[in-house]
Amino acid sequence: EPEVTQTPSHQVTQMGQEVILRCVPISNHLYFYWYRQILGQKVEFLVSFYNNEISEKSEIFDDQFSVERPDGSNFTLKIRSTKLEDSAMYFCASTRLAGGDTQYFGPGTRLTVL
Amino acid sequence: KNEVEQSPQNLTAQEGEFITINCSYSVGISALHWLQQHPGGGIVSLFMLSSGKKKHGRLIATINIQEKHSSLHITASHPRDSAVYICAVYQGAQKLVFGQGTRLTINP
Repeated sequence: EPEVTQTPSHQVTQMGQEVILRCVPISNHLYFYWYRQILGQKVEFLVSFYNNEISEKSEIFDDQFSVERPDGSNFTLKIRSTKLEDSAMYFCASTRLAGGDTQYFGPGTRLTVL
Repeated sequence: KNEVEQSPQNLTAQEGEFITINCSYSVGISALHWLQQHPGGGIVSLFMLSSGKKKHGRLIATINIQEKHSSLHITASHPRDSAVYICAVYQGAQKLVFGQGTRLTINP
């Protein structure tokens, strides 16, 4: 069964460094998402992406964050200058359609900012 | 106030018991997801509904759009059902808003 993959599974970085989290969505899916989950808290929406553009973003997704689909398969989340509070699990997801389609989640990347 | 509220937050039961987890939401939605989060952190979609009822094996999900309420039921619960169950609602076409999750523990 097709699945969403994410790399790395765990990233440790120093405060102020840039990180890039990578995702490979399911191949025939058109809509891509990033979520984060701070330890012990609920999952939060960051951004949705379709047709090489951001469709929607939350207030969390400020100028420090960017997303890109650099080729036909990868979908990346960049954090320009990490803060301690960026430490969280980051999940990528994809859907074939919009308007309430089933979301398929990747296994997550645990980001630790020291 | 959270837009999506789940109850209970924690639930411990004995193997074989019938389990109900509730979700109430305060916003207009286009669909609702029930998700399962394993201890390792991975998230799996169980159901997506916009009306009525869906069943998959021992799992049943219902939604009442007028009352803004959904329930997830597990029949004949088993220790392998132990996980965090999350309700998430679609606001608009693409934004999912999540509940805080219900931690379910099934003891043998």
